[in-house]
Amino acid sequence: NAGVTQTPKFQVLKTGQSMTLQCAQDMNHEYMSWYRQDPGMGLRLIHYSVGAGITDQGEVPNGYNVSRSTTEDFPLRLLSAAPSQTSVYFCASSIGQGAETEAFFGQGTRLTVV
Amino acid sequence: GESVGLHLPTLSVQEGDNSIINCAYSNSASDYFIWYKQESGKGPQFIIDIRSNMDKRQGQRVTVLLNKTVKHLSLQIAATQPGDSAVYFCAEMANTGFQKLVFGTGTRLLVSP
Repeated sequence: NAGVTQTPKFQVLKTGQSMTLQCAQDMNHEYMSWYRQDPGMGLRLIHYSVGAGITDQGEVPNGYNVSRSTTEDFPLRLLSAAPSQTSVYFCASSIGQGAETEAFFGQGTRLTVV
Repeated sequence: GESVGLHLPTLSVQEGDNSIINCAYSNSASDYFIWYKQESGKGPQFIIDIRSNMDKRQGQRVTVLLNKTVKHLSLQIAATQPGDSAVYFCAEMANTGFQKLVFGTGTRLLVSP
């Protein structure tokens, strides 16, 4: 049982490049989400999904796309990377989305856009 | 190491001491609160949670206290160990689901042997 697996762990992009951050979970969780973590700020929600085929925007969705074709995978796509997207990205999953359902986080992807 | 901790308040304690980490939350409608621990290079890890109908909840070596009057949350760690060194942050939710979970910025706990 690997939990939540994110790849890659580190990535450097040039401005304007696109890439996909991968997230997979093997716990059969319906709810998955992507956050970014920046210095001096709390985790901020980018996009989330309540189940396969269903996604929605979070607090800071601009510049990112997501899809949820399977329960296991929830990739995050950067369409045209900008220096403002330099951050640490975390994927999380949980059985549900309400209180008292524990969220499990991946190890994070550190992205630098130059 | 992680750059997210560069501007965090820091609490330094000796091994064996009790630690108290504080959090002020913003939304008076929040009714569910979570404390997370984040070690360097890792994702956040759930520690303990509390609903707003409680003012105290205890786990293994950890206690969360909630004061709704002043919108204040604290995490107490008993007999702090070097393995407790990490960034701790609180999160609040107004019973609308994780998409409305609001995270605090965190406090770095440093435990000296």
